[in-house]
Amino acid sequence: QKEVEQDPGPLSVPEGAIVSLNCTYSNSAFQYFMWYRQYSRKGPELLMYTYSSGNKEDGRFTAQVDKSSKYISLFIRDSQPSDSATYLCAMRGYQKVTFGTGTKLQVIP
Amino acid sequence: DTAVSQTPKYLVTQMGNDKSIKCEQNLGHDTMYWYKQDSKKFLKIMFSYNNKELIINETVPNRFSPKSPDKAHLNLHINSLELGDSAVYFCASSQGRVRGAMNTEAFFGQGTRLTVV
Repeated sequence: QKEVEQDPGPLSVPEGAIVSLNCTYSNSAFQYFMWYRQYSRKGPELLMYTYSSGNKEDGRFTAQVDKSSKYISLFIRDSQPSDSATYLCAMRGYQKVTFGTGTKLQVIP
Repeated sequence: DTAVSQTPKYLVTQMGNDKSIKCEQNLGHDTMYWYKQDSKKFLKIMFSYNNKELIINETVPNRFSPKSPDKAHLNLHINSLELGDSAVYFCASSQGRVRGAMNTEAFFGQGTRLTVV
């Protein structure tokens, strides 16, 4: 079993939809949870990070962490075609950061 | 005014060759990384340097050798290239580290797409 599991998609949604992206993990030592966005042929860029359980909101993006279920989510409200990218979750405990495999999102105008 | 820059952006080479990828960051960060991203987008750390000191060395063939002449540069040299080395290699940097782990925010370069034929 991989430490971090993420559905690779692709996920296609119409413009304006609410998008839900998720990851599950198995390592209880993970404390920091991050979401990166990667456009095609570009490097990943950090969108949001949260520490431990809880919610964090930044504009149209909301990150949720449920440590009891070992489940994290990223919600995108009012999705735009410019949100089309691969979204990678990442987690850190005491050692290195572990990335999920990424979910490819396409927002259709 | 690129924060993390890698060269070259594309690299096509034959099996058995030796090649290098260079990385420079102008963010003043003290920690730099090399990641490998395979065709399925899986991003896996290879090496991490903090102030020129190697702090993470994952299970990577010893054909791969990182070199950090100063904290703003981290180069990757690959000997005897194999078909399986084909991937996108990303350099990244961050400020600070926690017991060898990346600080929460890392800045990535644009990647070097290596194709071994």
